[in-house]
Amino acid sequence: EAGVAQSPRYKIIEKRQSVAFWCNPISGHATLYWYQQILGQGPKLLIQFQNNGVVDDSQLPKDRFSAERLKGVDSTLKIQPAKLEDSAVYLCASRPGQGRSYEQYFGPGTRLTVT
Amino acid sequence: AQSVTQPDIHITVSEGASLELRCNYSYGATPYLFWYVQSPGQGLQLLLKYFSGDTLVQGIKGFEAEFKRSQSSFNLRKPSVHWSDAAEYFCAVGPYNFNKFYFGSGTKLNVKP
Repeated sequence: EAGVAQSPRYKIIEKRQSVAFWCNPISGHATLYWYQQILGQGPKLLIQFQNNGVVDDSQLPKDRFSAERLKGVDSTLKIQPAKLEDSAVYLCASRPGQGRSYEQYFGPGTRLTVT
Repeated sequence: AQSVTQPDIHITVSEGASLELRCNYSYGATPYLFWYVQSPGQGLQLLLKYFSGDTLVQGIKGFEAEFKRSQSSFNLRKPSVHWSDAAEYFCAVGPYNFNKFYFGSGTKLNVKP
C-alpha cells in the first residue's frame, strides 16, 4: 500500500512570494490533515478535511493560508504571501475514518524556507 | 487549556541501556494519548496509543508506555535501546476522533555505541 505522498519535499522562497504544497493521501482515506511543524516544536494542526469538507480550520491563518480538497482525494495548501515565520515543515496526514481504531498516517513533509 | 509537555529536549543513552522519555499532559476531557517517532526526513510513525483499560500499553519496536492519571503522565520506556532508535519522539493527546491533536515539542534521542 502506498503511503501519503507530498510534494515538493523542499522549497525555498523569498518573503511575500506565494507557495503551494500538494498532498495525496492513502487511497480510500476520507480524513486528511495539514500540520505545521516549526523547528523545535511539535506539529500543529492547521486544517482537517473529511472528504471534501472542512472539519476544523480554527488554527489556519486565513489571511494568508488556504487549503482545498476539491474532489475529496488530494489536497493543496497555499501560502500567499509568505512570511519569515512560515518557515517550517508542512506535514500531511490521512486516516481511513474517524473511529478510534483508525491510525493517522503521515507523509514525509515539505520543508519550507522563507528568506 | 490542552497541552503536552516533554521536559527533555535531548537525551543521550548508550546502546543496550534502558530508556524513559517523559510526557505530561493537560487535557480537559478523557485523554487519549499517543507516542510517535520521527526519523530524519520521515513522517511521524505511531509507536503506541492509550485509550482505556490496562494502563501499561505495548507498542511497536519494543516500546511501552504507562498512563498515570494521578500524575497526568504517559512516559515511554524501552528496556534496551538499539542504535536504530535514534530519532525524535513526540507525545500527543487528543480525543478519540483525532480532532484537535496536541503534540509535545519532542525529545531527540541520541544513542551512543
